[in-house]
Amino acid sequence: QAGLTQPPSVSKGLRQTATLTCTGNSNIVGNQGAAWLQQHQGHPPKLLSNRNNNRPSGISERFSASRAGNTASLTITGLQPEDEADYYCSAWDSSLRVWVFGGGTKLTVL
Amino acid sequence: QVQLQESGPGLVKPTETLSLTCTVSGYSISSGYYWGWIRQPPGKGLEWIGTIYHSGSTDYNPSLKSRVTISLDTSKNQFSLILNSVTAADTAVYYCAREDWGFSDWGQGTLVTVSS
Repeated sequence: QAGLTQPPSVSKGLRQTATLTCTGNSNIVGNQGAAWLQQHQGHPPKLLSNRNNNRPSGISERFSASRAGNTASLTITGLQPEDEADYYCSAWDSSLRVWVFGGGTKLTVL
Repeated sequence: QVQLQESGPGLVKPTETLSLTCTVSGYSISSGYYWGWIRQPPGKGLEWIGTIYHSGSTDYNPSLKSRVTISLDTSKNQFSLILNSVTAADTAVYYCAREDWGFSDWGQGTLVTVSS
């Protein structure tokens, strides 16, 4: 089963820009795109961007997703203290018919 | 707005069966969308368990497939998870979620501990 690779941690300063990455193979990220979730400690995940890189209603424009080849990225501009959380990418492997999650990136806002 | 709520025992003995139900409000599950179960062991990442489609067909995580059954009860607007022969490794927060090009709506999650 193919996996998604995310850096375990990223640290950035207040009001800076953070770019989180998620790398998979062509069967998943390359063809199907990746969705991004934010999870604060003790809370369920929240969808920030779906596999079409669309933000659900209510999600700040500071969060934007993109894809280049087999790597998906989530860019967060103007970092705020409340952005400190775990971020997970997820993708659908259409050949195996399974959802795959990345291991998550812990974002620290300094 | 779609809302989901998990329910079920918080403690299950090793070798026994874990059974959880997700009650959906704000949308009729028989009308469309896909409905999934995801779990998260304490301090760890997310693991997809499986998805059921409004038609009743299912997809499962291959690592759990031999022990998992997900089913729909459209009369109660619920879907359920059964996980057989549990071990301590199945201790996790279990979430139900609506799938729409990503897992777009989540329940609050329920902690299930496997212990004798």
